Amino acid sequence: QKEVEQDPGPLSVPEGAIVSLNCTYSNSAFQYFMWYRQYSRKGPELLMYTYSSGNKEDGRFTAQVDKSSKYISLFIRDSQPSDSATYLCALPHSGAGSYQLTFGKGTKLSVIP
Amino acid sequence: DSGVTQTPKHLITATGQRVTLRCSPRSGDLSVYWYQQSLDQGLQFLIQYYNGEERAKGNILERFSAQQFPDLHSELNLSSLELGDSALYFCASSVAPRTGGYGYTFGSGTRLTVV
Repeated sequence: QKEVEQDPGPLSVPEGAIVSLNCTYSNSAFQYFMWYRQYSRKGPELLMYTYSSGNKEDGRFTAQVDKSSKYISLFIRDSQPSDSATYLCALPHSGAGSYQLTFGKGTKLSVIP
Repeated sequence: DSGVTQTPKHLITATGQRVTLRCSPRSGDLSVYWYQQSLDQGLQFLIQYYNGEERAKGNILERFSAQQFPDLHSELNLSSLELGDSALYFCASSVAPRTGGYGYTFGSGTRLTVV
């Protein structure tokens, strides 16, 4: 079983729709949960992160973590064509002086005007 | 512009050849990370350096090697290239190895095509 699973989509929605993106993970030791956004031909950029369980809201974006079921979600309200991108969940783990992110494969989102 | 500079942006080379990818981290960042992104595998962690020292290794092939220089720029060397090495290679940087929820900043990548 991979550490992080993410449905690759693609997902196509009309402008203004609510979008739900999800990941599951296997290692219960993860404490931080991140979402990156990657536009075509660009590097991923950090969208938001949460610590432990619960919700975090940032404008039209809400990140949700359910540690009991090892399930993380990103909701986009009032989606815009500019939200069209690939969204990747990422879980960090660190050791003695090391730090790395494990990424889901990403979900490609298209918001149609 | 993220502040992380990768060169070249595109590279086309033949099987069996060797190439070097270069990365300049964001000003002030001491840690550099290399990732490979392919359609079937997604983003795979290759290696991490901090202030010139190797700190973590991921799924990096023996044909691949990297180093971080005193000026903090990093190079990823790929040798005996195979068709399957065609991918996007990203460099990322952060201030320190352990950044909790802050993640790190990616460059725009180098697209490598092996023919």
